[in-house]
Amino acid sequence: DVKVTQSSRYLVKRTGEKVFLECVQDMDHENMFWYRQDPGLGLRLIYFSYDVKMKEKGDIPEGYSVSREKKERFSLILESASTNQTSMYLCASSFVGHKNYGYTFGSGTRLTVV
Amino acid sequence: AQTVTQSQPEMSVQEAETVTLSCTYDTSESDYYLFWYKQPPSRQMILVIRQEAYKQQNATENRFSVNFQKAAKSFSLKISDSQLGDAAMYFCAYSGGSNYKLTFGKGTLLTVNP
Repeated sequence: DVKVTQSSRYLVKRTGEKVFLECVQDMDHENMFWYRQDPGLGLRLIYFSYDVKMKEKGDIPEGYSVSREKKERFSLILESASTNQTSMYLCASSFVGHKNYGYTFGSGTRLTVV
Repeated sequence: AQTVTQSQPEMSVQEAETVTLSCTYDTSESDYYLFWYKQPPSRQMILVIRQEAYKQQNATENRFSVNFQKAAKSFSLKISDSQLGDAAMYFCAYSGGSNYKLTFGKGTLLTVNP
């Protein structure tokens, strides 16, 4: 069964902490994505990566950075966590082919910054 | 930038009845893909159905079908014979051409009443 695994289901961090959210996929997908999900706002793209060490900003990259040192792993980094980054974070991956079959999602990390 | 609009924040349906969730999108591209994702309380996003814009035939997956109106830029989801397990948040998503990024609507929360 193909999988996208997010390392934590729930996370509580303090304001100012550096936070790492980890995502691993076992499908050899080229593309990986980080979204945040907030009530009434849907899913908003933070960053995505289309290859190892390659990254592009999404719609709301401020306050975040990413790392993709290996194809299967895509990390989201909150450099200095703030309360407005309390949210649900979803990782997804997709393969690159001549057709688009959408994403496979992880089960999400609910981050609370206090 | 492409936008996806789901005009119904919440919908409800009686078990065994049919419900239609609305989605409109804005694009200037001719080649694109449309998706409906389901997010139950478990938070795992699941692909429900996918439509390729160049195909005029509406996609169907068991009890789920779409009404794809390309000229009107409309992509509604019909759920027939609704079941309690269909209760979830439903997201409409758009992806243009060779761009594998998905743009999501804000979601529709579907309640199924026994």
